[in-house]
Amino acid sequence: DADVTQTPRNRITKTGKRIMLECSQTKGHDRMYWYRQDPGLGLRLIYYSFDVKDINKGEISDGYSVSRQAQAKFSLSLESAIPNQTALYFCATSASDYQRGGELFFGEGSRLTVL
Amino acid sequence: KNQVEQSPQSLIILEGKNCTLQCNYTVSPFSNLRWYKQDTGRGPVSLTIMTFSENTKSNGRYTATLDADTKQSSLHITASQLSDSASYICVVSGEINMKTSYDKVIFGPGTSLSVIP
Repeated sequence: DADVTQTPRNRITKTGKRIMLECSQTKGHDRMYWYRQDPGLGLRLIYYSFDVKDINKGEISDGYSVSRQAQAKFSLSLESAIPNQTALYFCATSASDYQRGGELFFGEGSRLTVL
Repeated sequence: KNQVEQSPQSLIILEGKNCTLQCNYTVSPFSNLRWYKQDTGRGPVSLTIMTFSENTKSNGRYTATLDADTKQSSLHITASQLSDSASYICVVSGEINMKTSYDKVIFGPGTSLSVIP
């Protein structure tokens, strides 16, 4: 089983619909992240969380919200999806000691298409 | 502006041949640089990490170099295999947000490598 699991893996939806992408991890890491990947661009950070009561905006948080339900679970919501949110979304985790280099462990991605 | 650029954008090589991928960055201050491999349909996986004081690091057939003065890194793949076909992403960590202790991470756009028989 994967250490970082994302559901759904693929989703097609219509403009205006609410969408939730879920992430769970078994690595025991405190830090969790949501990234977005678009063709030709580097991954961009949407939101990150360092523990259950900690939520921080990334560089492209507009139009998104998150919930950290437990240490192992971090969900991303699109309240009203729009076509330019069509992308590949990745959840990632890292250990809490950033001085070790902060290796990110990624899930397998959730491909979202908004029509 | 903190940026990470990679070249070439894509590359096709014959199985068994060597290749070198380039990464230039303007991230400052600099903490470390990682190369990730992303197979099609999968999440990225870390190959190597390099800090300011390191200039070469190997991981099997992968060798990364870092020139912190010129802000350049390269990833050299020796004796390529079909399984090396993937996107290779250069990721630079820099400025630390003292409030969150989060070191800002900048991803390059990746180089798509195709190894053909």
